[in-house]
Amino acid sequence: DADVTQTPRNRITKTGKRIMLECSQTKGHDRMYWYRQDPGLGLRLIYYSFDVKDINKGEISDGYSVSRQAQAKFSLSLESAIPNQTALYFCATSDSTGNYGYTFGSGTRLTVV
Amino acid sequence: GQSLEQPSEVTAVEGAIVQINCTYQTSGFYGLSWYQQHDGGAPTFLSYNGLDGLEETGRFSSFLSRSDSYGYLLLQELQMKDSASYFCAVRDQNSGYSTLTFGKGTMLLVSP
Repeated sequence: DADVTQTPRNRITKTGKRIMLECSQTKGHDRMYWYRQDPGLGLRLIYYSFDVKDINKGEISDGYSVSRQAQAKFSLSLESAIPNQTALYFCATSDSTGNYGYTFGSGTRLTVV
Repeated sequence: GQSLEQPSEVTAVEGAIVQINCTYQTSGFYGLSWYQQHDGGAPTFLSYNGLDGLEETGRFSSFLSRSDSYGYLLLQELQMKDSASYFCAVRDQNSGYSTLTFGKGTMLLVSP
């Protein structure tokens, strides 16, 4: 099994629908992140969490919400999806130093029509 | 604010050596990291430089000069499988240096 698992892998949804992207990890890391990737824009941080009771907004949090259900689970929700939220979404984890690198999931390709 | 600049694309031939540069601007600095991503797959961690100098890991090396706000990733003995996007990243001052800000990525195309 992968260290960081994201579901679904691909999703097409309609404008205005609520959608949840899920992430679970077996690394035992406390820190989890959600990034969005758009062509030519690199990876941009949406939300991050350093433990179950610690949730923080990233660079582009508008239109998104998150839930840290357990140390191993961190989900991202789009309350009312819009077409410009079409992107590749990655969940990642790291240890407390961050120096040993992030471990990313395989991503969720989301299309909003 | 902070920013990272890296070339959008680099091309090279199999067996060659290629260097991907990254310059950064940030008010505080806690190291430069490099990641590799194949065709929209999961980015994977390659290296971290916290101090000036060269770090070597097999065919890949990474260099940092804090005085020049500059680093590079050096790939030797290029193979076709090295065709991928490469991202440099620094810790984000907006999160108290607890998260990473990534550059926009350099696409490396290796030809036979």
